Amino acid sequence: QLVQSGTEVKKPGESLKISCKGSGYSFAGYWIAWVRQMPGKGLELMGIIYPGDSDTRYSPSFQGQVTMSADKSVSTAYLRWSSLEASDSAMYYCAKSKVGTTTVFNYWGQGTLVTVSS
Amino acid sequence: AIQMTQSPSSLSASVGDRLTITCRASQGISDDLGWYQQKPGKPPKLLVSDTSRLETGVPSRFSGSRSGTGFTLTISSLQPEDFATYYCLQDSNYPLSFGGGTRVDIK
Repeated sequence: QLVQSGTEVKKPGESLKISCKGSGYSFAGYWIAWVRQMPGKGLELMGIIYPGDSDTRYSPSFQGQVTMSADKSVSTAYLRWSSLEASDSAMYYCAKSKVGTTTVFNYWGQGTLVTVSS
Repeated sequence: AIQMTQSPSSLSASVGDRLTITCRASQGISDDLGWYQQKPGKPPKLLVSDTSRLETGVPSRFSGSRSGTGFTLTISSLQPEDFATYYCLQDSNYPLSFGGGTRVDIK
């Protein structure tokens, strides 16, 4: 139900936008979370977005570092960096909220691996 | 921001063992906590929401409970497919926060 874009290899300073496409449900009506997992580390909640009206809530650590957006016309959420750093190298997951909830995530994308290296 | 302290960070166990993983919140979060299981190379999977609500299809050997600001995930009889990393997630207040994870290995 959530299909993410493919592996990315970028250089420091480059921009990047990854995507998460929903299918089989009313995309606009459920929150989408973005979660970072650095190599060998735990899960970090970056923020959530409601595609219906693009209401967005960033976790403080990620505010100003990334931009979340959504286009409900194509049932796709996006995560964008304007200038990547090596420390952005990680697996990024999107996840969909459960029916009737804002912040319980019961469907997850397969993940997008981002590698930033000179 | 609410801090979630998860323990232990890792443990070794045998098939059939009873397992308890704990998350403690830095402040009250009511029952707004979920447990997720992650296997290597896979996305997380929701096991339990609202402290103790088992997701459809999750085996009944998994259970969740709360005492004050402490939350527990219990596996009553560990099975081979349960060897994974487990995370709690508080979804009471923004920013949402995960525990540090508990890796369950085969003894």
